[in-house]
Amino acid sequence: QTVVTQEPSFSVSPGGTVTLTCGLSSGSVSTSYYPNWYQQTPGQAPRTLIYHTNTRSSGVPDRFSGSILGNKAALTITGAQADDESDYYCVLYMGSGIWMFGGGTKLTVL
Amino acid sequence: EVQLVESGGGLVQPGGSLKLSCAASGFTFSGSAMHWVRQASGKGLEWVGRIRSKANSYTTAYAASVKGRFTISRDDSKNTAYLQMNSLKTEDTAVYYCTRLTEEEHNFDYWGQGTLVTVSS
Repeated sequence: QTVVTQEPSFSVSPGGTVTLTCGLSSGSVSTSYYPNWYQQTPGQAPRTLIYHTNTRSSGVPDRFSGSILGNKAALTITGAQADDESDYYCVLYMGSGIWMFGGGTKLTVL
Repeated sequence: EVQLVESGGGLVQPGGSLKLSCAASGFTFSGSAMHWVRQASGKGLEWVGRIRSKANSYTTAYAASVKGRFTISRDDSKNTAYLQMNSLKTEDTAVYYCTRLTEEEHNFDYWGQGTLVTVSS
């Protein structure tokens, strides 16, 4: 069965830029998978950052951007801030009504 | 203000059943596709399943891990979605979230705060 892959962890310096990716164990991610990105802090529900590959959700700072890079979906944070330290999840539409989340990336800002 | 409020969680023995509810307000529930997502403690998000609107024939879809055991339904007159969970296993222990998907934008835009289901003897 196909698995959605994400880096388990990533580290970025304050003010730095980081790109998190979302791939498939078999195949390439395209816009047809409608990749979405979510931010989650402990004890809270997920918050939508990016949907439909590159559309920022209302109220999301423009330092967050989404794209397709090569064969993966990507979330880029430009000018990272301390409160960006969170878990980040991507989700892909696999067809036939099925969605699949990646395992999540724990982002550390230090 | 949009609200999704889950309820019905609790402690249940392996092999048992539980029915979760998701009460919605602040948006047109009847026209919305509703999804369930779960998260085991310290683990990632897992999509569970969805039910579409009446206009889309209330069609459902489920993750392989729950197919045949879980059933999603809705009552548009009560603005409520349900998740009936049968033959529960210890690995079903998780916080269960309901969320709305805007099918035009493919965006899970609204989320509830979740309800905890613990499957244990």
